[in-house]
Amino acid sequence: AQSVAQPEDQVNVAEGNPLTVKCTYSVSGNPYLFWYVQYPNRGLQFLLKYITGDNLVKGSYGFEAEFNKSQTSFHLKKPSALVSDSALYFCAVRDPTSPYMDSNYQLIWGAGTKLIIKP
Amino acid sequence: DARVTQTPRHKVTEMGQEVTMRCQPILGHNTVFWYRQTMMQGLELLAYFRNRAPLDDSGMPKDRFSAEMPDATLATLKIQPSEPRDSAVYFCASGPRSGEGEQFFGPGTRLTVL
Repeated sequence: AQSVAQPEDQVNVAEGNPLTVKCTYSVSGNPYLFWYVQYPNRGLQFLLKYITGDNLVKGSYGFEAEFNKSQTSFHLKKPSALVSDSALYFCAVRDPTSPYMDSNYQLIWGAGTKLIIKP
Repeated sequence: DARVTQTPRHKVTEMGQEVTMRCQPILGHNTVFWYRQTMMQGLELLAYFRNRAPLDDSGMPKDRFSAEMPDATLATLKIQPSEPRDSAVYFCASGPRSGEGEQFFGPGTRLTVL
């Protein structure tokens, strides 16, 4: 079955330290991978995506993510965390089994990881 | 600055009452999604429209929920009758015709059913 796993419910990092939020996936075919962020009382915001090409993709707010096909992972990273990065982070993968051949497939969502950056 | 808008932002109602939530997708986007978010279940897809046609509403309790797109600028999600277990934040998201899967979320409607 198609799935996305975020193995950590919560990640705690000190401000200024590097952060990693983990995501692994299980889908057939070549996945389209996404990261979204949700700040308190807000909707989700798109951060970055991997479609093809360079395994390291850069996104908003200084975040980047590394696609690793052999490990079926797409971990979110940032070299130096800010207190304002504290939020809920969701990994998602586009369902390649959707019968529709154009864009805007349904996404399979991870459960989310709460990132807490301490001053 | 194009955004998805949702109304109302907050709704408190009593069990058995009808609830209607509205969404205005970003102009030009051809795909609209309705999600529900709760602490217990996380983010659940309820329904999904492309070019105003419903493509998948398998995540929605059919006996009480209905979703429609009367025109390209308005999507509605209706619950009748509402129950306390429907209490959640309901999000609408839209996606561009030329996109690769990105979804743009509205601010959500926080529903409390007493």
